Amino acid sequence: SQQGEEDPQALSIQEGENATMNCSYKTSINNLQWYRQNSGRGLVHLILIRSNEREKHSGRLRVTLDTSKKSSSLLITASRAADTASYFCATDGNAEGSQGNLIFGKGTKLSVKP
Amino acid sequence: EAQVTQNPRYLITVTGKKLTVTCSQNMNHEYMSWYRQDPGLGLRQIYYSMNVEVTDKGDVPEGYKVSRKEKRNFPLILESPSPNQTSLYFCASSLSEAGGVGAQYFGPGTRLTVT
Repeated sequence: SQQGEEDPQALSIQEGENATMNCSYKTSINNLQWYRQNSGRGLVHLILIRSNEREKHSGRLRVTLDTSKKSSSLLITASRAADTASYFCATDGNAEGSQGNLIFGKGTKLSVKP
Repeated sequence: EAQVTQNPRYLITVTGKKLTVTCSQNMNHEYMSWYRQDPGLGLRQIYYSMNVEVTDKGDVPEGYKVSRKEKRNFPLILESPSPNQTSLYFCASSLSEAGGVGAQYFGPGTRLTVT
């Protein structure tokens, strides 16, 4: 099955710096979603980008999607200590029988130091 | 308040004792799903449902059952739990869009320990 894989596994930066996380996947998709999780809690949806979109913004978040490379990136600008969390990408495939079978990556653990 | 609720939040049980984790959403979402989260393995989908009476296996369905008799509820059943089902479980729901499922709303999680 397709698999979202985030890179890097862990990222440590200073407050005010930008954080970039990458996600790669294996098969064609309907959409790709990014989520945030604070330790042990439920995931919170950040952005959904459809396969026919190339870039999306939401506040300090910018997501790009390159379907030819089967990859996406999440950029958090001017990071804050409160951005410390794990970030996951998830893909919804469009192959026959795979719609709804959301595949999550293993996540990037971001630490923002004050 | 729009939300996904799960019960119980914490459960310690013994091998072989049947249990059910309930999941309910109040947003009239068509799509619901169960995931388990284990250290180093990320979230893995157990089962999902595109609508009432429609359920499909995810990536790790073995040892689990689900049902979707009504739109708001999607219980997860472990008929004979084993220690390898010790995990953090999440339920989620979303709208179904043309061309895929939408943004997932997650419940708070159920931490299950099977001894």
